[in-house]
Amino acid sequence: SQQGEEDPQALSIQEGENATMNCSYKTSINNLQWYRQNSGRGLVHLILIRSNEREKHSGRLRVTLDTSKKSSSLLITASRAADTASYFCATDEDSGYSTLTFGKGTMLLVSP
Amino acid sequence: DADVTQTPRNRITKTGKRIMLECSQTKGHDRMYWYRQDPGLGLRLIYYSFDVKDINKGEISDGYSVSRQAQAKFSLSLESAIPNQTALYFCATSDYSGGNYGYTFGSGTRLTVV
Repeated sequence: SQQGEEDPQALSIQEGENATMNCSYKTSINNLQWYRQNSGRGLVHLILIRSNEREKHSGRLRVTLDTSKKSSSLLITASRAADTASYFCATDEDSGYSTLTFGKGTMLLVSP
Repeated sequence: DADVTQTPRNRITKTGKRIMLECSQTKGHDRMYWYRQDPGLGLRLIYYSFDVKDINKGEISDGYSVSRQAQAKFSLSLESAIPNQTALYFCATSDYSGGNYGYTFGSGTRLTVV
């Protein structure tokens, strides 16, 4: 069953604007990861945040994690047309199975 | 060459046929996975393997089987394909050593069962 649920399902913005996507999950986790998928292609790992971390940065990406609310957010600053893709959160549950459970994704469209 | 290679890229097959999707990796990772992606459903885990002698069922293993021929090769078989197995299939690898838990995905196999 799906662990993560992204919100919104779709997001449309202009170049230069910031894009924020949210992810909620149900169980305790070891870490949470964000992936990008360009149309029909393989997923690409963007960033990982561990359960004992609250915020992490990588270039124009900022990820936050609130384990008390079981939620995470991905912020892409100064969006570019090339950021157009689907974004997925994935959780590594604290259940001993050590596999990732993916959400359904947020489709981001960045218009020039 | 890609780190994770999936073959074929696209395949159309008939209901009832047996089909094999292949995955090979040059990452040297012990862990390999098969996921399927359906529109609106995200990715769901079919099978995974943590080493050559380890095979585990995922969330949706019915109708599928796998073989881990070597550390670098992990194949997925549909014993008797049915139309609702039409989907985009991804192979992925990971390595927990050094705390790097991110998955590396192949480019996918688009399978259509008619």
